[in-house]
Amino acid sequence: GAVVSQHPSRVICKSGTSVKIECRSLDFQATTMFWYRQFPKQSLMLMATSNEGSKATYEQGVEKDKFLINHASLTLSTLTVTSAHPEDSSFYICSARELSGNYGYTFGSGTRLTVV
Amino acid sequence: GQNIDQPTEMTATEGAIVQINCTYQTSGFNGLFWYQQHAGEAPTFLSYNVLDGLEEKGRFSSFLSRSKGYSYLLLKELQMKDSASYLCAALDSNYQLIWGAGTKLIIKP
Repeated sequence: GAVVSQHPSRVICKSGTSVKIECRSLDFQATTMFWYRQFPKQSLMLMATSNEGSKATYEQGVEKDKFLINHASLTLSTLTVTSAHPEDSSFYICSARELSGNYGYTFGSGTRLTVV
Repeated sequence: GQNIDQPTEMTATEGAIVQINCTYQTSGFNGLFWYQQHAGEAPTFLSYNVLDGLEEKGRFSSFLSRSKGYSYLLLKELQMKDSASYLCAALDSNYQLIWGAGTKLIIKP
């Protein structure tokens, strides 16, 4: 089945630094990638939708200059949290849409970001 | 607006059956997903329904009624490892996933 590889799984960074999270679709081409954030005991919150070769579409309230998304190829999308602050600490998950019959969504394994 | 409702938490006994309900209101509809999420992990796919009726897959079954905007996930022969959050998500007319807040299922021995 479709696999999305997400790295790193855990990262601790200092306040003010930037962190890059990568998601790769391993056996399919992901024309669209979704980036989610999840706080403890809450559901997934869509941050942005990225399409290969074009600018990402950000959800209301998500700062596009803070959460930089790049989807330069059909198999790789990256999310960079710039100038991270403790309130950015969260679980970040990517998801790719495989264009098979049921428009299946495959999730990466998630990245636990802790900003200290 | 678009909305997904599901219970916040449910408790069941090992070996029993539990039904987790989900109601949805979306702009258009292209199917409904159920995902399982263990604490600290990403969601994993359980089922997808786009036609009315029951889809059975081992111990898990999912039901959809499009006219009622209603779905349920049925878990049989509950095991302790089934303790997790179960997320209901509907696909709207733009093929955007609208997520419910999740139902935390607690299994007791």
